[in-house]
Amino acid sequence: DAKTTQPTSMDCAEGRAANLPCNHSTISGNEYVYWYRQIHSQGPQYIIHGLKNNETNEMASLIITEDRKSSTLILPHATLRDTAVYYCIVFSRGSQGNLIFGKGTKLSVKP
Amino acid sequence: GAGVSQSPRYKVAKRGQDVALRCDPISGHVSLFWYQQALGQGPEFLTYFQNEAQLDKSGLPSDRFFAERPEGSVSTLKIQRTQQEDSAVYLCASSLAASGSPINEQFFGPGTRLTVL
Repeated sequence: DAKTTQPTSMDCAEGRAANLPCNHSTISGNEYVYWYRQIHSQGPQYIIHGLKNNETNEMASLIITEDRKSSTLILPHATLRDTAVYYCIVFSRGSQGNLIFGKGTKLSVKP
Repeated sequence: GAGVSQSPRYKVAKRGQDVALRCDPISGHVSLFWYQQALGQGPEFLTYFQNEAQLDKSGLPSDRFFAERPEGSVSTLKIQRTQQEDSAVYLCASSLAASGSPINEQFFGPGTRLTVL
């Protein structure tokens, strides 16, 4: 599976959009981009995934560049409850399914 | 609805003791994963079950670690002769899909925090 690079930490003001970048320059054609987050003392939680098209659900939007070498997770109106570690994971279709987590981005939403 | 549950939530063991950690996945979920999360790090894969079959145990750090899922539902992770370096949060996750599916939303339990003194 391709390696991902994320900033160690980011701050965001409550109510503003949080834009979390991820670099996955070695991604291959059959690999998906997944985002999970982990709130303190909880297990990781699935957010969204995509292959090459932009995706949106009730939690977030995922923007994938045309060359697929990077992506951005967007939380449109961040709240204090969105404070968490966000993991960008590249997952290969046809693989066993275990997720390879990096260190993620610690997002702190401030009032 | 019921999610993935794990018990105990916290376990303190003396070095050398055996421990057993339980995971109750979401009913009907085919895939079950165990991960280990050290302080300040992301979770790391330990082992994978598809129904009752343990298809991958490549992430288990030593032969002191053993996992089972005898009836394809509840799973137990056992650690024999615990060492201080085993101290971590142990996470269980389940997924409706079998391996090879592109859809891989995993549902995680809250984890068991193991502290070995």
